[in-house]
Amino acid sequence: GDSVTQMEGPVTLSEEAFLTINCTYTATGYPSLFWYVQYPGEGLQLLLKATKADDKGSNKGFEATYRKETTSFHLEKGSVQVSDSAVYFCALENSGGSNYKLTFGKGTLLTVNP
Amino acid sequence: DAEITQSPRHKITETGRQVTLACHQTWNHNNMFWYRQDLGHGLRLIHYSYGVQDTNKGEVSDGYSVSRSNTEDLPLTLESAASSQTSVYFCASAQGTGGSTDTQYFGPGTRLTVL
Repeated sequence: GDSVTQMEGPVTLSEEAFLTINCTYTATGYPSLFWYVQYPGEGLQLLLKATKADDKGSNKGFEATYRKETTSFHLEKGSVQVSDSAVYFCALENSGGSNYKLTFGKGTLLTVNP
Repeated sequence: DAEITQSPRHKITETGRQVTLACHQTWNHNNMFWYRQDLGHGLRLIHYSYGVQDTNKGEVSDGYSVSRSNTEDLPLTLESAASSQTSVYFCASAQGTGGSTDTQYFGPGTRLTVL
């Protein structure tokens, strides 16, 4: 079945540091890929998405590129802020076998210190 | 503004009791989902619905049930609560326009403790 593997962390960075959170996936067909963010005490919010190979999703300074050859969708940000502290989830949606359902990774806790 | 709400936000119950968690969305979305979030497991799908009178089992459906009598609501029922069902529960909805990948919008979550 479909699965998502992401670095579990926790990840601790200083403000203005470069961020990478790795995400790889296993899926049949051509899934769409997502990054969701969960701020403390809140539900998940969509951060960015990509629906086909080589697409780059971007939002709020975060970027991720859909790499079919390496089955990866790594999240990056050039300069993190304290307000980026949250849990980040990589997810996929595979229309071929399970319309609209998301398969999530386990989440990565990011803490950014001033 | 349209939104998705969950109630209660916190619930403590005893083993064996029936518990119902409410989820209400005002976007008129066709698709609704229930997930549970546990440390080390991320989010796992419990049940989902593609429309009124439609319900489907997810990967961790044992001990849970849902019903969809209207577009706005998808209540989740724990028939006989167990300690293993202590978790944070999230409801989500998506438009579902057929063939497209829709954003899922999540509620704020319900923290359930089963003693």
